[in-house]
Amino acid sequence: EDQVTQSPEALRLQEGESSSLNCSYTVSGLRGLFWYRQDPGKGPEFLFTLYSAGEEKEKERLKATLTKKESFLHITAPKPEDSATYLCAVLPSSNTGKLIFGQGTTLQVKP
Amino acid sequence: DSGVTQTPKHLITATGQRVTLRCSPRSGDLSVYWYQQSLDQGLQFLIQYYNGEERAKGNILERFSAQQFPDLHSELNLSSLELGDSALYFCASSVSGIHTGELFFGEGSRLTVL
Repeated sequence: EDQVTQSPEALRLQEGESSSLNCSYTVSGLRGLFWYRQDPGKGPEFLFTLYSAGEEKEKERLKATLTKKESFLHITAPKPEDSATYLCAVLPSSNTGKLIFGQGTTLQVKP
Repeated sequence: DSGVTQTPKHLITATGQRVTLRCSPRSGDLSVYWYQQSLDQGLQFLIQYYNGEERAKGNILERFSAQQFPDLHSELNLSSLELGDSALYFCASSVSGIHTGELFFGEGSRLTVL
């Protein structure tokens, strides 16, 4: 069964304290892996797409990487405005492949 | 602002009732997706429409139905509501009809069933 697991569920950091969020996945063929940011009371906001192992994408203080079994979202020197829930999703390559979301990691960055 | 508009933002109703949620996609997007987000289930795909036609179906209950109109806006109808239907309902849109992971989400409709 296709599955996405994110860890940790919650993460508290001090401003400037770098860390990584993990997204482990089990799918029968991967068409793509996606990272989203969701602020409280808002809809998810698309951040990155990764297609193949070894690929990396960067945006400001965020860097997403992909291996054959997991993806990491690295946050360098985070700021309080980076506080949000980060969602990982995978799109299986099967004919009926639909986007499968993980439960998310809620990040809180304290000043 | 993603460009996807959802109404209403909040809705409180009673068990057994029926509600309609409305979504206008981003300008130029032909696909509309509906997702349900609850605390215990996370984001669950319900259904996708592309240019007025149903394109893909997820875990959508028989009590729920959706449609996409010629002007591309979409409505999600929820009937015989139960307490467990309380959730955030998101609409998302994309240009392509192929199921994609690069979606633009609206701000959601929060449904509370009492």
